[in-house]
Amino acid sequence: DAKTTQPPSMDCAEGRAANLPCNHSTISGNEYVYWYRQIHSQGPQYIIHGLKNNETNEMASLIITEDRKSSTLILPHATLRDTAVYYCVLLRYGQNFVFGPGTRLSVLP
Amino acid sequence: GAGVSQTPSNKVTEKGKYVELRCDPISGHTALYWYRQSLGQGPEFLIYFQGTGAADDSGLPNDRFFAVRPEGSVSTLKIQRTERGDSAVYLCASSLWGRGGETQYFGPGTRLLVL
Repeated sequence: DAKTTQPPSMDCAEGRAANLPCNHSTISGNEYVYWYRQIHSQGPQYIIHGLKNNETNEMASLIITEDRKSSTLILPHATLRDTAVYYCVLLRYGQNFVFGPGTRLSVLP
Repeated sequence: GAGVSQTPSNKVTEKGKYVELRCDPISGHTALYWYRQSLGQGPEFLIYFQGTGAADDSGLPNDRFFAVRPEGSVSTLKIQRTERGDSAVYLCASSLWGRGGETQYFGPGTRLLVL
């Protein structure tokens, strides 16, 4: 079973920030938080990952709470092309991803 | 550089037939993963290679499924006596060393349909 829980779906207006939450209350100290997204009929695309600190790259920002029990992926200016299923997954050394059903984000014009 | 590639992109076969699915990882990546994704669900782990050896095959559903990576680069997922329930998208991913904190890069997948 996936160790993360996410809302099944969310809507966001084009041009606004999309904030996607993820709960991982049983996360271990050596587990990283990863975010991937999957656009219809494509393979999952890496977005960002982090361990303890907040992270930012050209695609998104990742905010991890101090207790590491939850995180939020932020797409600062959502576009229609950001419509996808977003997966929050945990990973530690020598293990594989365990994906849940993710959050289906719909960016509306 | 080139990403993970998978061939064929689509495969239609009949129940009971044998199929092979191929994955070309990113050059230099020692870790390779196979996942299976059914409609409306997230990817499900099948097997993980570290170099030529299978480091974890706990996700293979039964002995009809087998995977090899003889030279530590290209991998082939083999399914014997296919069943309709094997219909899914088979995804391959690779990472540099297979360590925590690394990114797994996914290929586009092979869509398998068993009639």
